Amino acid sequence: EVQLVESGGGLVQPGGSLRLACAASGFIFSDHYMDWVRQASGKGLEWVGRTKNKASSFITEYAASVKGRFTILRDDSKDTLYLQMNSLRTEDTAVYYCVNWISGCPTWGQGTLVTVSS
Amino acid sequence: DIQMTQSPSTLSASVGDRVTITCRASQTISGWLAWHQQKPGKAPKVLIYKASSLESGAPSTFSGSGSGTEFTLTISSLQPDDFATYYCQQYSIYPYTFGQGTKLEIK
Repeated sequence: EVQLVESGGGLVQPGGSLRLACAASGFIFSDHYMDWVRQASGKGLEWVGRTKNKASSFITEYAASVKGRFTILRDDSKDTLYLQMNSLRTEDTAVYYCVNWISGCPTWGQGTLVTVSS
Repeated sequence: DIQMTQSPSTLSASVGDRVTITCRASQTISGWLAWHQQKPGKAPKVLIYKASSLESGAPSTFSGSGSGTEFTLTISSLQPDDFATYYCQQYSIYPYTFGQGTKLEIK
């Protein structure tokens, strides 16, 4: 069974940094593309970005709203996905989900809450 | 960016009803569309991917159709567990984008 468990959320001041992690199990992590998606309270879903696999040179893609501030990393030896978030803004407050894609079908983690506030 | 527009935004229906939600893309996305269900306080979960493929754990009362720019999610007979918010997502062109959501309420 595919499992994705996010961690690392919490309260951070504007301008600060935070690193989220997503521990994967139940599938061959290194073979697959992984995304981050976020959702502000009471709002819709927003795609944050993607990391491709080694076969696709670990290419990353980002939403314009986070490009240059957020970095998606993966450690295939630990079956773990990361989201390094720098220069955080109040509008980055949201639940962050990791999503894996196997054969074109996505699976979601349970999410971790990030609150950016002074 | 590709804009995804869902209609309606809110839908009131009764158990046993057949309901359809529509999602329109601002440009063609071929069949690269997923439908996700989300209940309050929970993570989304996928129901349909590649426009019409049913996720293995999803009920067979759900079906998806469409290609290009117009897509539909149909629930053939509403069950109490189906009252939730539904999102479409295109994964054809970066940045991937979601519809604004359709809240399915009990009439």
